[in-house]
Amino acid sequence: EVVLLESGGGLVQPGGSLRLSCVASGFTFGNYAMTWVRQAPGKGLEWVSPINGDGRDTFYADSVKGRFTISRDNSKNTLYLQMNSLRAEDTAVYYCAKDVRYVPGYYFDHWGQGVLVTVSS
Amino acid sequence: EVLMTQSPGTLSVSPGERATLSCRASQSVSSNLAWYQQKPGQAPRLLIYGASARATGVPARFSGSGSGTEFTLTISSLQPEDFAVYYCQQYDKWPPITFGQGTRLEIK
Repeated sequence: EVVLLESGGGLVQPGGSLRLSCVASGFTFGNYAMTWVRQAPGKGLEWVSPINGDGRDTFYADSVKGRFTISRDNSKNTLYLQMNSLRAEDTAVYYCAKDVRYVPGYYFDHWGQGVLVTVSS
Repeated sequence: EVLMTQSPGTLSVSPGERATLSCRASQSVSSNLAWYQQKPGQAPRLLIYGASARATGVPARFSGSGSGTEFTLTISSLQPEDFAVYYCQQYDKWPPITFGQGTRLEIK
């Protein structure tokens, strides 16, 4: 059974930083791209950042480019999202999602339960 | 960026009836379209990929159709557990991957 478990969320002041983690199990982690998707309260889904299976290729939504960094440690089956210079509009539930292929750019067959990030003073 | 527009925003249907949800892309995405179901407090669940292929474990009452810019998700006979929000997602032209704004399916 595929399980994705996010952690690291919480309340942070504008301009602050957080690092999200997503521990994966139930599949060969390094064989699949992974993606962060977020959902602001009461809103729809927003693609944030994917990373390919070996971690060499990354992409970002314009809204987070230059502030967020995605990475992965395949030895630990863990995906990360380093979020810097946080803004109120980054407030959302952040989901890690498993891509269906080694490279990103497809759809997501498994999702974590999500972690809430609140940016507020 | 490909803009995905779903209609209607909210759909009210009685259990046992058919529900038809629409998704339109601002430019052709071929058949590179997925549908997700999201219930309150839960993560999205993949229903359909490739515009018409059902994901593992998805009941046969869910079907997808369309290509290019017009897509449809049909639920043939609504069950109580089907009332949720549904999102379409294109993965043809990226970055960015884009989602529709969602259709809320509610009990009539």
